Amino acid sequence: DADVTQTPRNRITKTGKRIMLECSQTKGHDRMYWYRQDPGLGLRLIYYSFDVKDINKGEISDGYSVSRQAQAKFSLSLESAIPNQTALYFCATSDLAKYNEQFFGPGTRLTVL
Amino acid sequence: AQSVTQLDSHVSVSEGTPVLLRCNYSSSYSPSLFWYVQHPNKGLQLLLKYTSAATLVKGINGFEAEFKKSETSFHLTKPSAHMSDAAEYFCVVGDITGFQKLVFGTGTRLLVSP
Repeated sequence: DADVTQTPRNRITKTGKRIMLECSQTKGHDRMYWYRQDPGLGLRLIYYSFDVKDINKGEISDGYSVSRQAQAKFSLSLESAIPNQTALYFCATSDLAKYNEQFFGPGTRLTVL
Repeated sequence: AQSVTQLDSHVSVSEGTPVLLRCNYSSSYSPSLFWYVQHPNKGLQLLLKYTSAATLVKGINGFEAEFKKSETSFHLTKPSAHMSDAAEYFCVVGDITGFQKLVFGTGTRLLVSP
């Protein structure tokens, strides 16, 4: 079984719709992250959470929100999707003691029409 | 601030020939450096990491990288490419300032031909 899972894997939606992407992990890690990948730009950090009560903005948080429902679950929401949010979204986790070794989910491909 | 520059967006090799993927870093501190690989329709997987121990780091699947402080480089190599190595590779630096985030390069797509 995968340690970091993301649902859905693919989603097509329309401009203005609310979308939620979900991430679950069985690694027991405290830290969780949401990244966005665009061709030629690498991965950029949207939000990160060090524990259930600690949520922080990354470098491109505008237009996104997150919820850390439990240690194992971290959701990313697009309140009103727009076409330039079309991208591949990755969730990742890391252990408190090894912050720099992150484990990634398989990704969610989101298309906003 | 820390950053990485991947010098090639695409690298093409023939199966059985050596692989070289180039990465230069910028850091005010002694950096932590990583290479991640992303196969098509897959998440990212850690290939190897440098954290101030040995400068030559061995990773999975026969890859290795050498940390050269004088050249601020962390190039990824493999002696003999395999078709299964075709993927996108990301050089990453660990930012120890602030909240200790990872900073990703823009990626190098490795193409392997028979």
